[in-house]
Amino acid sequence: RKEVEQDPGPFNVPEGATVAFNCTYSNSASQSFFWYRQDCRKEPKLLMSVYSSGNEDGRFTAQLNRASQYISLLIRDSKLSDSATYLCVVNGEYGQNFVFGPGTRLSVLP
Amino acid sequence: ETGVTQTPRHLVMGMTNKKSLKCEQHLGHNAMYWYKQSAKKPLELMFVYSLEERVENNSVPSRFSPECPNSSHLFLHLHTLQPEDSALYLCASSQDPQTTYEQYFGPGTRLTVT
Repeated sequence: RKEVEQDPGPFNVPEGATVAFNCTYSNSASQSFFWYRQDCRKEPKLLMSVYSSGNEDGRFTAQLNRASQYISLLIRDSKLSDSATYLCVVNGEYGQNFVFGPGTRLSVLP
Repeated sequence: ETGVTQTPRHLVMGMTNKKSLKCEQHLGHNAMYWYKQSAKKPLELMFVYSLEERVENNSVPSRFSPECPNSSHLFLHLHTLQPEDSALYLCASSQDPQTTYEQYFGPGTRLTVT
């Protein structure tokens, strides 16, 4: 089983739609969780950290479910500028490194 | 915009060449990382440095040789690469190698091996 798995996508949604991504991880001892976004041919940029109690930043909401070992990202009122690949990141088996998921591509259509 | 810079941004090299990638972070972080991103594949961690000491090497071939002369600079020396080494090479830094801290990425070097 891969350490971090994500919805394969791509997700094609109209402007204004609500879209949700899921990510599952295999290491039950994982402590740190993040969502990054990566635009085409650019570097990944931190979108938000994911806290145990869940957290919200504007139109973005992240949730963590430790029992089921998944995290989610909800984007409300999608904008064209939200089009990107969304990467789930979990601290890995061996302590000092992040494990990146393969990413879910989102296209927001006019 | 970013506190992590990388040079060159693009590099084309032959299999017999030797080149180096450079990364510099201006964030006062203590940890630096090299990642490889190939098309259609997740980011792969290559090396981790904490306070100039290598703390992780994820079974990377010896044709990739990292160097960290101080906590702000990181190099990746390349020699006798293969075409399959063509990829985007990303440098990142974080406050501490403990994984509770987020990483900040440079813009990457797009490498093509001919």
